[in-house]
Order: sequence, then structure tokens, then C-alpha cells
Amino acid sequence: GAGVSQSPSNKVTEKGKDVELRCDPISGHTALYWYRQSLGQGLEFLIYFQGNSAPDKSGLPSDRFSAERTGGSVSTLTIQRTQQEDSAVYLCASSQTVTNEKLFFGSGTQLSVL
Amino acid sequence: GEDVEQSLFLSVREGDSSVINCTYTDSSSTYLYWYKQEPGAGLQLLTYIFSNMDMKQDQRLTVLLNKKDKHLSLRIADTQTGDSAIYFCAESMTGFQKLVFGTGTRLLVSP
Repeated sequence: GAGVSQSPSNKVTEKGKDVELRCDPISGHTALYWYRQSLGQGLEFLIYFQGNSAPDKSGLPSDRFSAERTGGSVSTLTIQRTQQEDSAVYLCASSQTVTNEKLFFGSGTQLSVL
Repeated sequence: GEDVEQSLFLSVREGDSSVINCTYTDSSSTYLYWYKQEPGAGLQLLTYIFSNMDMKQDQRLTVLLNKKDKHLSLRIADTQTGDSAIYFCAESMTGFQKLVFGTGTRLLVSP
């Protein structure tokens, strides 16, 4: 596609429920990243995928968070048993390769946990 | 550890120059970036600089890097109301895109 696409744009859920956030990177981009932007905070790195290599999960805040990237394209970020502190904007980005200096970001998914 | 700091807020009048400052701690940073985020939108890469450069100019944007002091600045000349946004400074190491972002500076441009 023309840009990085994320869905849904907004998600409201109840505490304890599971949520799935989707990211469609730019076609041909081999590297994909998830960041989290909490209110009044900078962007927090969560995870990145590069081609068929094992993902770098070092930024995932707890084992309730997981992510997959199927077929080297679409990625899903799953948060299990959501907590109120998970409320944030979840941003996805892609780049041609992990060494490419340009990241292209999606508009994000605003997650609200009640 | 890695830490990137920015002032939270800057207010300027239209036509003035804006200077947004950033300090970082990781001396191994190789790439330093400025991103812009408009309301409800993702981040847009404005410009970036390699750590072996002191300055980079791109139209109305000037980036200055003081590697000794680990200080990065973004100057916007002839600031317009459309420049109102949050500006994020970020750093990364060679060949690796795990960017570390600052908290962002909200720029407000008044007519």
C-alpha cells in the first residue's frame, strides 16, 4: 500500500480482555517495528521484525504482550488480560531494511482500557 | 543507559525562528533524527544527521549537532502555523533502527 496502515484506529476494551492490533507495512519493506506512546511520554520501543530473523522482543513490557508477523508482511500485536496501564497509542513503523535510516509510521491505534 | 531529553513546550509567533533542543546520553549513537507528529497522525521523519556531521540544512530546517555535549537542535526558520505539532528527537546506533525517542516538544505557533 501507499503507507503503513493500522487497524483499528481506536479500541476501547474492558480490563482483563484480550486485544489484537494490526499493522500492514509498506509493500516491500522487510523491517517492521512496534512502538507505544503513552500520554505525556516519549515513544517506547516494543518489538521489531527483520525478514525471517528472530524478532527482537526486548522492549515488550510483560509476557502479556506478544507479536507475530505472518508471511513477512502483516503483523499483529496481542495484549492479553489488558490492564489500565496498557492504555496508549500503539504505533507501527516499517523500513526497507533494518539498516535503512527512514522509518515510516502508521497513524497508530489508540487503545483505552476501562 | 539510553536517555533522550527534550523540553516539553515551545511557543513562538508566526514568522519567527523556532529552536527545539535535545540532549542524549548514548555516545555510541550514530544517527540522530527529528520527527514531527501532527494531531491524530503518525510520526513523520523530518530530517536526520549522522554523528560525524556538525550541521545539516534542508530548506527551512537546520540541524546542529554538538557531539561533545551530546546536544542536538532543530531550527525552523520563518515558522508557520502549520508547523504547530509535537517534535521528537531520536537516536539510534549504527545499522540498527531501534530508535530511542525523547518525550517530544510541543510547538505552538501563534499568528
